[in-house]
Amino acid sequence: EDKVVQSPLSLVVHEGDTVTLNCSYEVTNFRSLLWYKQEKKAPTFLFMLTSSGIEKKSGRLSSILDKKELFSILNITATQTGDSAVYLCAVEAKTSGTYKYIFGTGTRLKVLA
Amino acid sequence: GAGVSQSPRYKVAKRGQDVALRCDPISGHVSLFWYQQALGQGPEFLTYFQNEAQLDKSGLPSDRFFAERPEGSVSTLKIQRTQQEDSAVYLCASSSPGLAGRYGTDTQYFGPGTRLTVL
Repeated sequence: EDKVVQSPLSLVVHEGDTVTLNCSYEVTNFRSLLWYKQEKKAPTFLFMLTSSGIEKKSGRLSSILDKKELFSILNITATQTGDSAVYLCAVEAKTSGTYKYIFGTGTRLKVLA
Repeated sequence: GAGVSQSPRYKVAKRGQDVALRCDPISGHVSLFWYQQALGQGPEFLTYFQNEAQLDKSGLPSDRFFAERPEGSVSTLKIQRTQQEDSAVYLCASSSPGLAGRYGTDTQYFGPGTRLTVL
C-alpha cells in the first residue's frame, strides 16, 4: 500500500533555530513530491520536487529530494513565529488509474518567541 | 477568481441530515479534487474531476458520498444521511495542466475548506 510518513510529528523550537522536517515514501509510479504549509486555513504550496539532488530554495526555506532513498527534507533556517504551522508532504503517484496526491500526517511546528 | 473558494466555511449537521458543500475553483483550472482531512491527519483523496468528467472516485468512503461538476467549473460534494464519522474538514483543490499537458498532475491549489461537524 502506498504511504507517506513524516517525522517528527511535532516540534517546538525558538526563534532563530534551524529545523529539518523529514518525509519518506513508499509508492508505485512516483511522479513528484510536494511540500505545503497549513495554518488554520488552506494548505499553501511551497515546493514541487521531481528530480533527485536538486535543491529548491525560497527565502529561508529549502528542500531536496532523494529518489534512491525515497525521502525528502524541508529545511527552515532562522525560524520566525510566523513559521508556526503544520507542514504537509504529499507524493504524486498513480493509484486506481489516475495520478493523485498521497499526503503524510504532517509535522506540527511551533516557533516560540 | 483569485483563489479557490469554498462554502460554507463551517457546517453543523444532525446525524442523518444531508449536506452539500460547494467549491469554486480557480478560473480556467481544468482539474478539481476533493479531500477529507480528519483532525490531526493529512488530507485524504476523495475524488477527481477533469472538466465535468469524474475520472476517479476511488476515495469516496461510501455510497452516501456523491460529487458532481456539471459544467466543468463549480463542484458540489454531497453527503447523504451524515454520520458522526463524517466530521472532518473537506478541502477542495484545483490545478491546470502544465506545458506537457499532463492533466491532474500539476500543482494543486487549495481552498480554505469546509469544517463539517455531525452531532
